[in-house]
Amino acid sequence: KNEVEQSPQNLTAQEGEFITINCSYSVGISALHWLQQHPGGGIVSLFMLSSGKKKHGRLIATINIQEKHSSLHITASHPRDSAVYICAVSTGNYGGSQGNLIFGKGTKLSVKP
Amino acid sequence: DGGITQSPKYLFRKEGQNVTLSCEQNLNHDAMYWYRQDPGQGLRLIYYSQIVNDFQKGDIAEGYSVSREKKESFPLTVTSAQKNPTAFYLCASSIRPWGAGEQYFGPGTRLTVT
Repeated sequence: KNEVEQSPQNLTAQEGEFITINCSYSVGISALHWLQQHPGGGIVSLFMLSSGKKKHGRLIATINIQEKHSSLHITASHPRDSAVYICAVSTGNYGGSQGNLIFGKGTKLSVKP
Repeated sequence: DGGITQSPKYLFRKEGQNVTLSCEQNLNHDAMYWYRQDPGQGLRLIYYSQIVNDFQKGDIAEGYSVSREKKESFPLTVTSAQKNPTAFYLCASSIRPWGAGEQYFGPGTRLTVT
């Protein structure tokens, strides 16, 4: 079983729809990251969070530490949101020298006009 | 502008040849990483470095080598010993190690070995 599981693997939406991508993990973490990978391959960090909720524009990320679950929401989706969204968890401690960054396999989102 | 550069974007090599992928950052980050991405799989860690002149093997280091002689540079050599080198390679850096800080990624190098 993978330590970081994302669902769904693939998602197709119509422009304007509200989108939710889920991430569940089975290890203790110090932080969770949401990343966006565009078709060209470059990856951009969207959020890093260790508790609660963060919002940036139309993107919202939430995390429930007790349930070991995080969600990424996109409101009013647009074709330019089409990308692969990757969840990653950090098992390292701040300032520590041990740990790991474990990646999910990604969710491929396609938003149709 | 601060960021990470990788070159080249596409690289083609014949089997049996060593090839070096470049990674440079001007973010003044101590930690740097090399990842490999294959279709349908999550990113996998090849090597990482937390400070100049120090680096450690990741999960899939066999057939790869790195150096960290300067803070800004972390080149990856794919040797002929790597059994399946064709992949997309991503370099990343962070101000703190292990995802304790935001990770910044380069644009990647797509290596094809025939």
